[in-house]
Parts: sequence; structure tokens; C-alpha cells
Amino acid sequence: ETGVTQSPTHLIKTRGQQVTLRCSSQSGHNTVSWYQQALGQGPQFIFQYYREEENGRGNFPPRFSGLQFPNYSSELNVNALELDDSALYLCASSLVNVAGDTQYFGPGTRLTVL
Amino acid sequence: DAKTTQPTSMDCAEGRAANLPCNHSTISGNEYVYWYRQIHSQGPQYIIHGLKNNETNEMASLIITEDRKSSTLILPHATLRDTAVYYCIVRALNAGNMLTFGGGTRLMVKP
Repeated sequence: ETGVTQSPTHLIKTRGQQVTLRCSSQSGHNTVSWYQQALGQGPQFIFQYYREEENGRGNFPPRFSGLQFPNYSSELNVNALELDDSALYLCASSLVNVAGDTQYFGPGTRLTVL
Repeated sequence: DAKTTQPTSMDCAEGRAANLPCNHSTISGNEYVYWYRQIHSQGPQYIIHGLKNNETNEMASLIITEDRKSSTLILPHATLRDTAVYYCIVRALNAGNMLTFGGGTRLMVKP
């Protein structure tokens, strides 16, 4: 177990709705990254948060947004849901220091958009 | 990040060593080789990473060629629970941002 938790485990929404996914990072970690994994594909990077600021973004539209809180937990918000947003959403936490920044993943949230 | 090439799938007999190859011919001098695995519908699990020396931990060994253009992940005694998709990723330490996942190798451990 990595100590990274995500909620909810599963979620069903309809097209056009908004969703918020949550992630609690491993104790002592200061960075959270979010990934989207469509069925049969590898995870795709959405964005990363470090010290409550967005620290890099992948090729995702602005309707994907996030937050990081002072306790380093994080939220991923997706507005105007589309059918193609159906995927496993993964968060990964890491501690950025001189020894590196290995990312440790949570179990994911399975989002289904109908 | 440099791209990696891995076989799509491999089989291994339970109890035998599983050797998973990865080609990364365009790797830069400051880039590490990372290995993750993903068991069906779970989050990816970190296995090991290395720069140029061979590395070993409780899960696996990582052998990197002298020219660093390829590497092999070794699971010394594969079990059925090692059945998973294994991803080889190259990135610099503290590169921030993303891990770039390719297609990975689907390892099937058979009784």
C-alpha cells in the first residue's frame, strides 16, 4: 500500500454534469499529480500541483482543473462532462527533494459518463 | 522524455525468472530508467529505478547496459500475482510533471 487514497472509488455521471474527485497524498509528500487512463491505454498526465500551485499540465482542456490544499491533499474537477471522459482517474503523490521525486499512485476513481 | 520500446506481451512460468526488456536508445545522460507495473484496474505500482548502475530491491533487479540504451527488469521468482502490465519510463530526477507511459509489456505468469 502506498498510503495514497482516492475517493470515491466509482462514480457515474451524465454528459454535461460536473464532477470532483479527491486525493489524499502519502504522509510527508508535497506534490500531487493527476492522470487519466482510458480503457486499454496507459495513464495520460493531466497536471501536477506543488505547493498549491499548478506545476505543469498535459494536453487537457481547461474544463479539467484542480486544487491542492495546505495539507497537500488535492481535488480534480471536470466540468461539462463528455462521454470520452469515462476513464480511471489516478492520482500520484511524491516528495520533491534532492533524492528525487518518485511518484506513488493511489487506487484510482473509475468515472463513467452516460 | 525519451521514448521507450517494450514487447507487447510475454509469458513466464511460475517460479521462474521473468526478464522484461526495454529499449531507450535516445536516453539522455541525466535521465533515469523507472519501472512501474499495473495489476488489472489498480493504480500503477512503483518497482525500481536506476541511472547506470544495476539496482536491486525486494521486488526486482534492474540491469542497465553500459551504453544505457537498454535495460532489463528481472523478477527473480515470478508468482501468479506478478501478472500485470509493466511500464518502462525514462525521465530526469526532479523533472517535475509527468510520467510518460507507453504501452507497456503485459506479463502473464502461468502455473
